[in-house]
Amino acid sequence: QKEVEQNSGPLSVPEGAIASLNCTYSDRVSQSFFWYRQYSGKSPELIMSIYSNGDKEDGRFTAQLNKASQYVSLLIRDSQPSDSATYLCAVNGGWSGGYQKVTFGTGTKLQVIP
Amino acid sequence: DAGVTQSPTHLIKTRGQQVTLRCSPKSGHDTVSWYQQALGQGPQFIFQYYEEEERQRGNFPDRFSGHQFPNYSSELNVNALLLGDSALYLCASSLPGLEQFFGPGTRLTVL
Repeated sequence: QKEVEQNSGPLSVPEGAIASLNCTYSDRVSQSFFWYRQYSGKSPELIMSIYSNGDKEDGRFTAQLNKASQYVSLLIRDSQPSDSATYLCAVNGGWSGGYQKVTFGTGTKLQVIP
Repeated sequence: DAGVTQSPTHLIKTRGQQVTLRCSPKSGHDTVSWYQQALGQGPQFIFQYYEEEERQRGNFPDRFSGHQFPNYSSELNVNALLLGDSALYLCASSLPGLEQFFGPGTRLTVL
């Protein structure tokens, strides 16, 4: 079982729709969770961080965390063609012994169709 | 506020050569992590530096080595390059335990 799993996609949604991206993780002691957006040929850009169970909203983005189910998701409302990118889920095991373990999923490719 | 910077942007090397990549962290950050990202894959952890020490290493051979300087900047060195080392090399900086911010990356092509 991979430590962080994402559906590779592509996930295609029409412009204006809600895009739902999902991620599961295996390490129960994981402490914080991040979503990065990566355009083709570019580096990942941090778009959301979530640390506790529940929802966290930032503009058109909502991150949802359920630690009991080891599940984190990202919702993008009113999807725009500019949202077309690969979305990486990253799981942070915390800081222990002078080391921070962050594990990335392989990413979900999102295509927003005009 | 300067973000994470990396140099060079692109690099072309031949098999067997050695390469050094450089990274300057975001202002105020003291932890630097290096990742390798092959096409279509997520970033793979190479190693992390904190207080000028390598704190943890991913599943990469000893050909990959690094260094962190007192100003928190860092270098990644790869010796005896293989074709399979062709990838985007990413540097990320953070405060201990917090969000990582990535630089623009260095695209390495090994011929």
